[in-house]
Amino acid sequence: GENVEQHPSTLSVQEGDSAVIKCTYSDSASNYFPWYKQELGKGPQLIIDIRSNVGEKKDQRIAVTLNKTAKHFSLHITETQPEDSAVYFCAASILGGLTGGGNKLTFGTGTQLKVEL
Amino acid sequence: NAGVTQTPKFRVLKTGQSMTLLCAQDMNHEYMYWYRQDPGMGLRLIHYSVGEGTTAKGEVPDGYNVSRLKKQNFLLGLESAAPSQTSVYFCASTRTSGGFETQYFGPGTRLLVL
Repeated sequence: GENVEQHPSTLSVQEGDSAVIKCTYSDSASNYFPWYKQELGKGPQLIIDIRSNVGEKKDQRIAVTLNKTAKHFSLHITETQPEDSAVYFCAASILGGLTGGGNKLTFGTGTQLKVEL
Repeated sequence: NAGVTQTPKFRVLKTGQSMTLLCAQDMNHEYMYWYRQDPGMGLRLIHYSVGEGTTAKGEVPDGYNVSRLKKQNFLLGLESAAPSQTSVYFCASTRTSGGFETQYFGPGTRLLVL
């Protein structure tokens, strides 16, 4: 089955700096890569996603890049702010990979991002 | 819309006790999922449902049962709780499996089994 590795497990940056979180996946059939942000005491919330036919996607201060050949994808946050502090999870998915058609998400182990003033 | 809600928020059980976690969504979503989140292990899929009256096993189904009698509700049951089931449980839903549908997560249920 799919295996997703995520690094680093913790990341501390100064406000205004950039943060980069990296993930690798094992199953070349994976074709959808979402990123989730989880604030303390809350459920994960999708912040950006990328499909396998796209190499890069940007949404304001957040961008994701995908290298299918190397099977890795990264989250980039620029001009970090204190409210960016949270746990970030990457995931890989095969469209319709579950019996019955559901999408099976395999998650990374999470990165605790701390933005310091 | 409340989105995805979970009941209860927190529960303490003794080994061997049973309980049911309730997930409800008001978005008319077809697909619903139960995950558990453990430190250093990300989220792992327990069971899922592709529609009312249907359920299927995920990655870590042992010790859990589920039911989807109504489209908006997805119940997760622990018949005989074990300390290894201490975890945070998240429910999620998607409209369909077609395309790359966003999974909407509930706020979680923290379960402690003594």
